[in-house]
Amino acid sequence: AQKVTQAQTEISVVEKEDVTLDCVYETRDTTYYLFWYKQPPSGELVFLIRRNSFDEQNEISGRYSWNFQKSTSSFNFTITASQVVDSAVYFCALSALIQGAQKLVFGQGTRLTINP
Amino acid sequence: GAVVSQHPSRVICKSGTSVKIECRSLDFQATTMFWYRQFPKKSLMLMATSNEGSKATYEQGVEKDKFLINHASLTLSTLTVTSAHPEDSSFYICSAKVRRGRYEQYFGPGTRLTVT
Repeated sequence: AQKVTQAQTEISVVEKEDVTLDCVYETRDTTYYLFWYKQPPSGELVFLIRRNSFDEQNEISGRYSWNFQKSTSSFNFTITASQVVDSAVYFCALSALIQGAQKLVFGQGTRLTINP
Repeated sequence: GAVVSQHPSRVICKSGTSVKIECRSLDFQATTMFWYRQFPKKSLMLMATSNEGSKATYEQGVEKDKFLINHASLTLSTLTVTSAHPEDSSFYICSAKVRRGRYEQYFGPGTRLTVT
């Protein structure tokens, strides 16, 4: 099966706290890509990161960091020193070969609320 | 670069009418475009994949006569919701791939359809 699971439906933290969004995936592909997108209230999907299956290095971009672990099929996303502007729905996605075509499979999304 | 636009951003129509949503890649040629539907507080659900110059491939459960997709050029795909009903009200998002074999999809800002 090609599947992405984001077990946390909603998370609410106070500003400046660190928060980690979990993502677990299933795939039978040997080569695949994982993504994180942010969807603010306006609805537009904002691309955050892409990671290919051969690159297990963790990545840091400002207050954002990602931990990719193939052994546990996880691709978790951490926001350090959260800010109110980080409030949004975050989606983890897997690029998978489905019925001969490359498609994005999205997780259910995690609604993150940062309270002032 | 890699900007995708959608028009209109919001549309309200009466039951029984048809509405067309346009998806354009503004600064690149898109061999493949995708149409997603998103219900409130839910994830993105792939409706169909359209390749320029050929018929769209619909996901299981999506009515092809209800949701007409045309990918007439390398920069334009249209989704027509025919004989709309209130249950068709949703947020529709398109995305575009630069070329075959690449994993990146660039998303449009979405169209919110309300059928009264």
